[in-house]
Parts: sequence; structure tokens; C-alpha cells
Amino acid sequence: AQKITQTQPGMFVQEKEAVTLDCTYDTSDQSYGLFWYKQPSSGEMIFLIYQGSYDEQNATEGRYSLNFQKARKSANLVISASQLGDSAMYFCAMREPYSGSARQLTFGSGTQLTVLP
Amino acid sequence: NAGVTQTPKFRVLKTGQSMTLLCAQDMNHEYMYWYRQDPGMGLRLIHYSVGEGTTAKGEVPDGYNVSRLKKQNFLLGLESAAPSQTSVYFCASSFPGLMSSGNTIYFGEGSWLTVV
Repeated sequence: AQKITQTQPGMFVQEKEAVTLDCTYDTSDQSYGLFWYKQPSSGEMIFLIYQGSYDEQNATEGRYSLNFQKARKSANLVISASQLGDSAMYFCAMREPYSGSARQLTFGSGTQLTVLP
Repeated sequence: NAGVTQTPKFRVLKTGQSMTLLCAQDMNHEYMYWYRQDPGMGLRLIHYSVGEGTTAKGEVPDGYNVSRLKKQNFLLGLESAAPSQTSVYFCASSFPGLMSSGNTIYFGEGSWLTVV
């Protein structure tokens, strides 16, 4: 079974509107971290937001927020007031304490977001 | 503010040639990683290192070798390149310890490799 599932290969949103990118995960660990990265067409991986499994509050970073529903094992990214520069590929990733000795990230397949003017 | 630096950024190889990708980080991170990214897929871990002189296999290690002779450098080698190794390669690094917002994984800008 996939550890990280992103079911939306592509999404469109109108400029200035909010958009939710879905992410579900699978783990048997109680302690884990969830990350979202943005990859623009230039290719670099940009860290956006982090949610720890024990964090009671949903993480927020500027226009980004993470809708964390632990019982449902979902960690959706919400982007408010979309901007043209938000057009990019978005990856959800998970870091588990015992997935390997280096606690490496496991990535989903990504969602390509296009913001329309 | 160099962070994680990868060289080269672009390379075209012929089948059977060898090459080495160099990753350097200036954040004193213990952990370093090599990922590959193929079209329509997320990043997959090739090899990783938890410290100087140590390396371990990740999800897709076949056809690659790595070395971590210095803490700040992590080298990825292709001994005999194959077209299936055409991909974008990302190096990353992080601190060990408990996961938190301050313990994220930092990525280099990627290296585009084409094997013809």
C-alpha cells in the first residue's frame, strides 16, 4: 500500500480564491511528521509547511495552512487567496522515526496546481 | 546562504559512461540523501547517509554507488549509465533528532541527467 496518496493529479483555481490539495497517509507509528513542498517549473523543492503528529493545532504559514485530521489520516494543504505564482507541483511527504535510520521523507506523486487569471 | 549545492546541474551521458554527482552542504547536517524524480512521480530515495563514512541503500539503489568521505559532501556515482537512469536527481540534508518544524529536510536545486 502507498504510504502517501495524492489523488488529484491536476487542479485549477481562479486567482484570489482558496484551494485545497488532498493528501492521505498510512503509518503505524504514533510519532511522525507531515510536510508539504512546492516545486515550481524551475525545479527546486521549496519547503512550505510542517505538521507533527502530536501537534494539536493545525499548522499555518502565511497563506498556507494544513488541515490535519489524524483519525482519518489526512493532511490537506489549503492555500488561501491564490496567486499566479502559486502555479506549481505540490508534494505531500511524511517522515517517520523508524522508516529508516535516517528518517527519510516518503513522497506522494504530487498535484499540479494551475492558477487561472 | 549556499545551503545544499549540487554539481553539475545538467549532463548528457552516453550509455555505458560513468559519472559522479557531487552534493555539498554547509549547514553541518549529519544526514544526507540522494533522491531521483521521474515524470509524474514523487521523489524516490536512492541512497542515504547518517554520518561521515556511512552509507545505506534506499528504495531504488540499483545502478548507483555513493560515498561520504567528508561530512559536508555526498557523492552519487553511476558506474555504467543506462537510459533508465535518465532523471532529475536531488540531494538533500537534515539534522537528526526529533522531528519538528525546525528539523525539515533541505533540498538542492536538482541535477538533470539524460542518458542516450
